[in-house]
Amino acid sequence: QSVLTQPPSASGTPGQRVTISCSGSSSNIGSNYVYWYQQLPGTAPKLLIYRNNQRPSGVPDRFSGSKSGTSASLAISGLRSEDEADYYCAAWDDSLSGGVVFGGGTKLTVL
Amino acid sequence: EVQLVESGGGLVQPGGSLRLSCAASGFTFSSYEMNWVRQAPGKGLEWVSYISSSGSTIYYADSVKGRFTISRDNAKNSLYLQMNSLRAEDTAVYYCASSRLLGWFDPWGQGTLVTVSS
Repeated sequence: QSVLTQPPSASGTPGQRVTISCSGSSSNIGSNYVYWYQQLPGTAPKLLIYRNNQRPSGVPDRFSGSKSGTSASLAISGLRSEDEADYYCAAWDDSLSGGVVFGGGTKLTVL
Repeated sequence: EVQLVESGGGLVQPGGSLRLSCAASGFTFSSYEMNWVRQAPGKGLEWVSYISSSGSTIYYADSVKGRFTISRDNAKNSLYLQMNSLRAEDTAVYYCASSRLLGWFDPWGQGTLVTVSS
């Protein structure tokens, strides 16, 4: 199983606000930045949020990230059909084995 | 336009070797850290390896340590992944991605599929 824990699925109707959680530990989320990636069906992942809560240019402000302690969240407001995708959180892990760890991914369905 | 294009994937037998390449364009390749990230069919993302801009710092995931070797040629704007002793569980789409910090992957290439099977 993944080092970071995400719910396997989430859903919402158009216009709704949805949040996706990402739970880790003191060696990863607790001491390092969190990143969020969006993967549309059949495409490569795309950076959505960097440094916990920063949006790259071109990412709508409907997407926001937050972090508290050893957990992080991605919020999507004003849900749109094109937001239907897989979402992954990631962080560096300071443990002995180290490396970048990902969450298992959350499949977002827009009903 | 910033672009990363992977190549070198294919079908290989268990125990075999393969070398992946990633050609970069549209940015100053030598200034950026680079990574390989893979995704097994129908599964999530797994970070594989990282290399600093100069190549002096390298990290590997435990799952590939001792079998895979990351390298780069800044003069050729290229990133490589030498994969030896391949196993069925290495079957995945392999993406190259640039970074500014550990965990920050942007942009990504389109990926190249590696299938390990007899």
